[in-house]
Amino acid sequence: QAQLQESGPGLVKPSQTLSLTCTVSGGSISSGSYYWSWIRQPAGKGLEWIGHIYTSGSTNYNPSLKRRVTISVDTSKNQFSLKLSSVTAADTAVYYCARGEMFSSSFLWFDPWGQGTLVTVSS
Amino acid sequence: SSELTQDPAVSVALGQTVRITCQGDSLRNFYASWYQQKPGQAPVLVIYGKNNRPSGIPDRFSGSRSGNTASLTITGAQAEDEADYYCNSRDSSGNHLPYVVFGGGTKLTVL
Repeated sequence: QAQLQESGPGLVKPSQTLSLTCTVSGGSISSGSYYWSWIRQPAGKGLEWIGHIYTSGSTNYNPSLKRRVTISVDTSKNQFSLKLSSVTAADTAVYYCARGEMFSSSFLWFDPWGQGTLVTVSS
Repeated sequence: SSELTQDPAVSVALGQTVRITCQGDSLRNFYASWYQQKPGQAPVLVIYGKNNRPSGIPDRFSGSRSGNTASLTITGAQAEDEADYYCNSRDSSGNHLPYVVFGGGTKLTVL
C-alpha cells in the first residue's frame, strides 16, 4: 500500500517560491498509471486542486495557478515536487500530495493522501 | 474549467439516512468521487466512480448520479460520520490529462 509524505519549509516570505516535496513509499513512482497530485486547503476552506504530473512525466495545472506552478518528479528518489512562485498571503494553506487514478477517462479519484503540511506565507 | 456546487451544511439524526449532493455540468459526462475529512486530518476517499467503495469503507456509504447531480448517501448515519464531505470530478478538457475540480464541501452534523 503506497504512502505519501510531504516535506518542506513551513514558512515562506511573500514574493518568494514555495517548494515542497512528496516522498512516495510502498511502490515505485514510475510504475502504474497515476497522477501524482498536489492539492491545497486554506484554513477553514475547501480543497483546491493545484495540478498533477502523470507517470509519463506530462503535467497539467489548475488554470488559476498555471503561471506560477511547476510540478516535477525525481524517480531516483521516488519523489515528486511542487514549486509555486511569487507567493502571497493567499497561498497560505495546508498542502497535500495525493495519488490520482483515472478509470476509462470517466472518473478520477485521489487515494492515498499525505498527511498534509501547513505552509504560511508571511514576512 | 467546471465548477461543482455542494450545500454548505446538512444534518441528520443518528441512525437515519442522509443524502449529500454535488451539482455541476461536468457530472453529466463524468462520475464524482467523494471524500470524508475530519478536523485536522487529511481527506479520505469513501466513494469513487459509479458506486465503488475502497477497502475499509462501511457499506452504509453509497454513491449515485442523475443528470448533473452526484449524490453520496449514508444509510444509517453514525456519530463517527460527522465530518466534512467533498466531491470531485474531472472536467471535459484534456482527455488524457484532465483538469480536476472539487466541490466546496458539505459539513455533516449527526444529531
